[in-house]
Amino acid sequence: AQSVTQLGSHVSVSEGALVLLRCNYSSSVPPYLFWYVQYPNQGLQLLLKYTSAATLVKGINGFEAEFKKSETSFHLTKPSAHMSDAAEYFCAVSESGGYQKVTFGTGTKLQVIP
Amino acid sequence: ETGVTQSPTHLIKTRGQQVTLRCSSQSGHNTVSWYQQALGQGPQFIFQYYREEENGRGNFPPRFSGLQFPNYSSELNVNALELDDSALYLCASSLEGQAHGYTFGSGTRLTVV
Repeated sequence: AQSVTQLGSHVSVSEGALVLLRCNYSSSVPPYLFWYVQYPNQGLQLLLKYTSAATLVKGINGFEAEFKKSETSFHLTKPSAHMSDAAEYFCAVSESGGYQKVTFGTGTKLQVIP
Repeated sequence: ETGVTQSPTHLIKTRGQQVTLRCSSQSGHNTVSWYQQALGQGPQFIFQYYREEENGRGNFPPRFSGLQFPNYSSELNVNALELDDSALYLCASSLEGQAHGYTFGSGTRLTVV
């Protein structure tokens, strides 16, 4: 069974500060890993994905994440927060074989303080 | 290339009623997955449709059912609505069910009163 744990339901950072959102996963087979962003009253937008190629994955809007198998982690970072980054972020995992259900974490709301 | 379109965007139903939500998949995609997102929660997998058949199901009761049509569009039907069914329902399309190729729609906000 696959699962995702996001540490911290709310994270606040100052504008210009480092953004770090934490995600740990569990999967019995090599996983695909994703970060999605959701703005209020909208659907999910894919930020980036890991599909067993490079372990450091670059996404849209300056975000990146590093797959660390030994730590079963896939933390999301951005060097400098912008006001427009305020949103809810979901980490998700999928098994790489068979039919591919995506399992989401409970989300982290990012607040950016001016 | 068109994205995923869901309709309606919002609706309000009364407890006990039935509802049908619709999803048009992205051009070239043949798989549709449905998710329920309760307020303050992450999306929960309901089921997936591939080649007009259910191809996997999450922990949802049988009153949640679906269809996929030959053009790959899909419907989610919920019977005997309960207050806890109030949520954002998200549809995602992909090719051959590949999770790394999911495209999500903007969702349907269902309120049950």
